[in-house]
Amino acid sequence: GQQLNQSPQSMFIQEGEDVSMNCTSSSIFNTWLWYKQDPGEGPVLLIALYKAGELTSNGRLTAQFGITRKDSFLNISASIPSDVGIYFCAVYNAGNMLTFGGGTRLMVKP
Amino acid sequence: DSGVTQTPKHLITATGQRVTLRCSPRSGDLSVYWYQQSLDQGLQFLIQYYNGEERAKGNILERFSAQQFPDLHSELNLSSLELGDSALYFCASSPGGLWDEQYFGPGTRLTVT
Repeated sequence: GQQLNQSPQSMFIQEGEDVSMNCTSSSIFNTWLWYKQDPGEGPVLLIALYKAGELTSNGRLTAQFGITRKDSFLNISASIPSDVGIYFCAVYNAGNMLTFGGGTRLMVKP
Repeated sequence: DSGVTQTPKHLITATGQRVTLRCSPRSGDLSVYWYQQSLDQGLQFLIQYYNGEERAKGNILERFSAQQFPDLHSELNLSSLELGDSALYFCASSPGGLWDEQYFGPGTRLTVT
């Protein structure tokens, strides 16, 4: 079946550092999404990517849809304590369901 | 606050029992989605309803069922519960049936003892 590999599984960084995480798939997908889940909450959509090669920013967050349509990365610049949480990539093609990666747990040391 | 409400927030029950989780979508949203989040399986899509009709089915066990009512709220029924059913259950809603417009609720944490 479909499988999304998300890495790293966890990161412990210093406040102010930049963060990079990525997601790869064995299949081609037309839509890649990045979500953040705060402790005790449901996931919240951060960025949606619809075109191969597309680079999209949302404040300090930047995500890119890989040219092969099999990968995506998410960068966070100048991390702050409230960036703590679990970041998920998710994919879907029209007519299929949303599939989530295993998540990257981000911890930020003040 | 996403506007999606879920009750109860926590639920503790015994193996073999049956429980019902409730979800109220955002005002005006026609579609409801259910997800299960467990430590070993991650976040998995269970089922989607659109305006009362089942729209898509994911990794939902036969012991589980759901429905969406005329007022658009939804219920997820879990029966013959097993220890492995302990998880967070999320409901999400969207205005139409688009997967990239989902807003997630805060979840119900189910513990089966």
